[in-house]
Parts: sequence; structure tokens; C-alpha cells
Amino acid sequence: ELKVEQNPLFLSMQEGKNYTIYCNYSTTSDRLYWYRQDPGKSLESLFVLLSNGAVKQEGRLMASLDTKARLSTLHITAAVHDLSATYFCAVEYGNKLVFGAGTILRVKS
Amino acid sequence: EPEVTQTPSHQVTQMGQEVILRCVPISNHLYFYWYRQILGQKVEFLVSFYNNEISEKSEIFDDQFSVERPDGSNFTLKIRSTKLEDSAMYFCASPSTGTSKAFFGQGTRLTVV
Repeated sequence: ELKVEQNPLFLSMQEGKNYTIYCNYSTTSDRLYWYRQDPGKSLESLFVLLSNGAVKQEGRLMASLDTKARLSTLHITAAVHDLSATYFCAVEYGNKLVFGAGTILRVKS
Repeated sequence: EPEVTQTPSHQVTQMGQEVILRCVPISNHLYFYWYRQILGQKVEFLVSFYNNEISEKSEIFDDQFSVERPDGSNFTLKIRSTKLEDSAMYFCASPSTGTSKAFFGQGTRLTVV
């Protein structure tokens, strides 16, 4: 059974700083997703990574995928308060997505 | 961005009662999913539904759960006899083959009292 591990689970950072969230998974998969969730809200699709070496960027967020290492990263550049949310990675496995536990990000001004 | 619509947004029910959660997925999609998220916890897969049949289900999806597509557009999740531990957000999702994204509905918050 696929296991997906995210770390850290909680991240408090100052505005303007950079940080990286890591997502490790235990079994080969072709697709990895990153989602953002605000409190009480649904999951907003940020990135889908389809191949080894894939890198996608949107604003201050950049996601990458290393399928050989079974590792994806979500890098935050020059954080701003609006990025405060919970971030989930999810790995496609068979006919479903398996989610990590989520990283709660708090950006302090 | 395509929308997946869920109703109701919030439902409160008494333990032992039946509830039906509804989803209108993106049109022309054949794959649909239900997930749940207990407050503050991770998102858990319940069931996937393809071409009007269950294609995969999790251990959580026991005999008290069922899914249907009653009229070709709506997609329902029924919980026959609710328990306190069924309290959670329930999300319907529909993948987009064009963009490879999986779009989630806004969720139904189920509270069992």
C-alpha cells in the first residue's frame, strides 16, 4: 500500500523568507499533485507533476518531482501572509489519490 | 476553472439516520471520486466510480456506504445509518483528462449528533 509522508507538518515562517515542503512516497507513481486548503474550504489544485524532473512554478510557489527518489518538493520564495494555508501533496495510485498529512503553513508579518 | 458542485454545504443529522450527499461533477467525465476529511486530519479516499460502477473502494467504504448515479448527471453518496465518527467533510472530485487536474467540489460538512 502506498504511503505518502510530508514534512514538516507545521511551518511557521517570517514574511520574505524561503522554505521547502517535502513529500516522500513509497511506491512508483506517474502523477503527483499539490493542493492548497484554506480553513473550512475545499482543495484548490496548485500543480500536477507528470514526469521525472518536472518543475512547475506559479507566483511564489515552485514544485518539482524526482520519481527516482520518490520525492516532490514545494518551494516557497519570499513568503507573504496570503500563503498561509494547509498544503497537501497527493500521489496517484491506481484509481485514487493518496494524500499526505498536510503541512500547515503560517506566515508571520 | 471547471466546477464540481456539491449539496448540501452543511448537514446535521442524528446518529442512526440516513444521509444522502449530492455531487454534480464536470460534464462528460466518466470518473468520479468521493473523499472525506475528518476535521484537522488528512484527506482519505472512499470510493472511485467509473462508467456507472464502483472501480475501487477503501476499507472505510463499508456496507453502510453506497454510491449511485441516479439520473446520469448527479452522483450521490449515501450513508445508511450514520455514526458519530462519520462527522467529516465529504468531497466529490472529478479528474480532468485535458489538464490532468483533479477538481474537488466545495465539500459537504456532515455533523452527526
